[in-house]
Amino acid sequence: SQQGEEDPQALSIQEGENATMNCSYKTSINNLQWYRQNSGRGLVHLILIRSNEREKHSGRLRVTLDTSKKSSSLLITASRAADTASYFCATESKETSGSRLTFGEGTQLTVNP
Amino acid sequence: KAGVTQTPRYLIKTRGQQVTLSCSPISGHRSVSWYQQTPGQGLQFLFEYFSETQRNKGNFPGRFSGRQFSNSRSEMNVSTLELGDSALYLCASSWNSGARTEAFFGQGTRLTVV
Repeated sequence: SQQGEEDPQALSIQEGENATMNCSYKTSINNLQWYRQNSGRGLVHLILIRSNEREKHSGRLRVTLDTSKKSSSLLITASRAADTASYFCATESKETSGSRLTFGEGTQLTVNP
Repeated sequence: KAGVTQTPRYLIKTRGQQVTLSCSPISGHRSVSWYQQTPGQGLQFLFEYFSETQRNKGNFPGRFSGRQFSNSRSEMNVSTLELGDSALYLCASSWNSGARTEAFFGQGTRLTVV
């Protein structure tokens, strides 16, 4: 079963607006990663934030992590039609050895031109 | 640097058959993980291989198996295919196991079981 939950499940905005997606998880984590997926294709890695970090930026992306609330948010600023995709958060648990990601259910973002 | 390569991209098989999927990780990466993605269950972890050994295993039946070669390439096998095995199978590559670094995914293999 999925550890993470993302909300909203679907988000529709106009080009130029900001998009915010949230992710919650259940266990203690080493890091949290965000991915983008276009129409059932492969996952594109966007950003990784470690458990001892609170905020991270990469271009138009801003990720926050609140380990006390077991939640993270992904903000995409000045969105473009090309940002239309599904976005997933994935956590790596402290309780697991090796590499194993647990994914959220994803947010479908639609950016209208 | 080439990304993660999965072959084939698409596959159609009949119930009861078996299938083998291949994944070549990013050069220098030694950990390969496999995931199944379906509309109903989302992205589910299958297993991870590192140094030709299975490090982790998800909650899938024994019909799902894998292996890793000395060059870090990995294969995943599904025997006695069922309709419910229809899914996108994704392979992820990391430079080390448990390194807590980014995992990079391939484009996936779309398996359809009829």
